[in-house]
Amino acid sequence: RKEVEQDPGPFNVPEGATVAFNCTYSNSASQSFFWYRQDCRKEPKLLMSVYSSGNEDGRFTAQLNRASQYISLLIRDSKLSDSATYLCVGSGSGGYQKVTFGIGTKLQVIP
Amino acid sequence: NAGVTQTPKFQVLKTGQSMTLQCAQDMNHNSMYWYRQDPGMGLRLIYYSASEGTTDKGEVPNGYNVSRLNKREFSLRLESAAPSQTSVYFCASSSSGSYNEQFFGPGTRLTVL
Repeated sequence: RKEVEQDPGPFNVPEGATVAFNCTYSNSASQSFFWYRQDCRKEPKLLMSVYSSGNEDGRFTAQLNRASQYISLLIRDSKLSDSATYLCVGSGSGGYQKVTFGIGTKLQVIP
Repeated sequence: NAGVTQTPKFQVLKTGQSMTLQCAQDMNHNSMYWYRQDPGMGLRLIYYSASEGTTDKGEVPNGYNVSRLNKREFSLRLESAAPSQTSVYFCASSSSGSYNEQFFGPGTRLTVL
């Protein structure tokens, strides 16, 4: 089982819709979680960190549920420019320097 | 501030050839990483360097070697390229370890024939 699992999608949503992605992790000792955004044929870039208390940045909200071992990303009022792949990231086992990336969830916002 | 730079951007090799992918960062980061990204597999860690002078294996180190030349530079070497190493390679850096944001370079698209 992969340490971080995501539904690869694609999620096709109309402009203005609210969409949510979940990501499950298997290592209960994981400490740090992030959401990265990756545009087609580009490098990943940090979207937001995920804190135990939740984190909101404009239209984006990230939540961490340690009891069920998942993190979520909610995007409100989707824009065409939100079309991208969203990577879930957790700190892995075997040393604090390692992180594990999920395979990514592809979002396509349609007009 | 260039961030993380990688060279080359594209490369085509024949099976058995060798090459070195170069990576440099100008953010004074301690930790640097090499990943490969394949369709359906996500980003997988090849090697990382927690700090200057140290390197450790990641998830998929076979067929690769690395050198942390100094604090700025971290190179990845393929000694004898194989078609299975066809991939997109990303270098990344972070200020210190997995608790911090990683900044990625633009990637190297490698094809091994």
